[in-house]
This record gives sequence, C-alpha cells and structure tokens, in this order.
Amino acid sequence: NAGVTQTPKFQVLKTGQSMTLQCAQDMNHNSMYWYRQDPGMGLRLIYYSASEGTTDKGEVPNGYNVSRLNKREFSLRLESAAPSQTSVYFCASRLAGGSSYEQYFGPGTRLTVT
Amino acid sequence: AQSVTQLDSQVPVFEEAPVELRCNYSSSVSVYLFWYVQYPNQGLQLLLKYLSGSTLVKGINGFEAEFNKSQTSFHLRKPSVHISDTAEYFCALTLNTGNQFYFGTGTSLTVIP
Repeated sequence: NAGVTQTPKFQVLKTGQSMTLQCAQDMNHNSMYWYRQDPGMGLRLIYYSASEGTTDKGEVPNGYNVSRLNKREFSLRLESAAPSQTSVYFCASRLAGGSSYEQYFGPGTRLTVT
Repeated sequence: AQSVTQLDSQVPVFEEAPVELRCNYSSSVSVYLFWYVQYPNQGLQLLLKYLSGSTLVKGINGFEAEFNKSQTSFHLRKPSVHISDTAEYFCALTLNTGNQFYFGTGTSLTVIP
C-alpha cells in the first residue's frame, strides 16, 4: 500500500498563475483533508471532504477550491496564486465511522509563489 | 469551540536525558487526543492516541502520554531521548464526530549530542 500520495512534491508559481495539487489514498478511507503548514502556525485546515460527494470549508478556505473526484482522490486548486499562499500543503485521510479516528498524512507539496 | 495549545515552541535537550512536551486543550465536550511527529521534509506520523480507558498511553519509539481531564492536558514524555528524536511534534484533538482535527502550533525538539 502506498498510503496517501501527493503530486507534485515541489512547485514554483508566479503570482496569478493557477495550479492543482493532487492527492490520492489507497486505504479505502471515506474522509479526506487539505491542510497548509506555515512556520509557527501549525497545520490549518483549508477544506475537507467527509465523504465522497461532499466538501466543506475549513479554517482558511479563501483562494482555494477543491474537488472530490472519487473516493480515492481529492484535489486542491489555486485559481490565481498569491505570495501569501507560499506554504507546505498536506493531504490527509481517515476512515470515518471506524474506531481508530487518526488521520494519515501524505508527504506534502512545497509551493512557492513569487 | 475547540483549541489546542502547545506551551513550548522549542525544546532543546541533551541526548539520553528525559523530555516532556506540554499540550493543553480546550473543549466543552469529550475529545480524542493525538500526538504526531514530523521529521524534516516529511509528512506527519502518528506517535500515540488517547480515545478512552487508561489515561497513560504508550506509543512508538518509547514515547508515552498521560491524559489529565481535570487539567485538560495531554503531555508527551520520553525517559531517554536519542538524536533521532529530533523532530517537530504536534498535539491534536478531534471530537467523536471526527470530521475536523484541531492542531497545536507544534514543538520543535532538538536533541543535543
């Protein structure tokens, strides 16, 4: 099992460009999440998808959109990148309704917006 | 509203010394608590979790944590640290609906040879 995979690992964008971060999990989890990590601020939730077909805003959704393509895949789109979106982005998943509760994380995407 | 506070942003400690990383939480309902570790340039890995039962929980790599409901704390401890324990540590909570996690700002543990 690969667990949670993210592509790309690194990306540099110019202000105003768009891009999509891809996330996939092979653990048959129903809930998926996108976080950003900034120094001194921990992880902040951008969007999550509690189950296939649903998405909800987290703490910092502005400037982002998401698509839950199917049970495995959850993508994050930046329509017009800004320097404030320079960050490390993590995707996570969990088996909602189970007894373990923990989230499993991907390796992250390091995004720089110039 | 729920929140997690990690009281120390950086903790330096000598190799083979004990360490405690502090975590306090705020919630009006019952919570489940977690500690995650992040090694440089990697994602987060679960160290241990408290869901119910014994308030002392043991995790991987010799770490343990104690849930204290009256003090709303979930401090992480290790009796003797190794160089390889140098990493960022995050405390987190979720509710029994489990849809959202709330993370602390992290504690950077540096083990000094």
